[in-house]
Amino acid sequence: GAVVSQHPSWVICKSGTSVKIECRSLDFQATTMFWYRQFPKQSLMLMATSNEGSKATYEQGVEKDKFLINHASLTLSTLTVTSAHPEDSSFYICSVHGRGSYEQYFGPGTRLTVT
Amino acid sequence: DAKTTQPPSMDCAEGRAANLPCNHSTISGNEYVYWYRQIHSQGPQYIIHGLKNNETNEMASLIITEDRKSSTLILPHATLRDTAVYYCLHRGSTLGRLYFGRGTQLTVWP
Repeated sequence: GAVVSQHPSWVICKSGTSVKIECRSLDFQATTMFWYRQFPKQSLMLMATSNEGSKATYEQGVEKDKFLINHASLTLSTLTVTSAHPEDSSFYICSVHGRGSYEQYFGPGTRLTVT
Repeated sequence: DAKTTQPPSMDCAEGRAANLPCNHSTISGNEYVYWYRQIHSQGPQYIIHGLKNNETNEMASLIITEDRKSSTLILPHATLRDTAVYYCLHRGSTLGRLYFGRGTQLTVWP
């Protein structure tokens, strides 16, 4: 399967600052990338879908101005949490999907803690 | 939105087969059934997927009922490393989107 990396693996930031999380598809051209969020002891919640060459599509209830997504290339997507607050503390996971593929591969996740 | 139903937890003895059920009665005719698992604090790992025929790979077997309203994931010889949350999903209306339900916490004990 495809190898997906995320950077950083964990980050601690102060309230009010912005944090950028990178998702890279190392050996797979990802025409579509997805961002999920997972709170402790809960399931993954899809935040947004990012397609190559177009703007991200956000799920209902997810603020697009707070969670900025840039699908820079077929191998890189970034999620920026702007003006982070403690309630944004969560496990953020990206996944990649290739054209014509039925499989979706997930990154290892990024643990964000906002103090 | 997640449209599958799974038992919240199951136990299995090491070396025995683990059979994880899933109900997906609202699945559409062209939707695949997917299974993923998530070990604590890691990203989900793809296990297997199928449309209507039974499938087998090096990790597991997938048995889909003839009416496609339910399926069973079989880990033939469970090990301690198989302890994880197992998610059954079927693809949403838009290609690629996966909506996760609560999954089944499988605990394999020695």
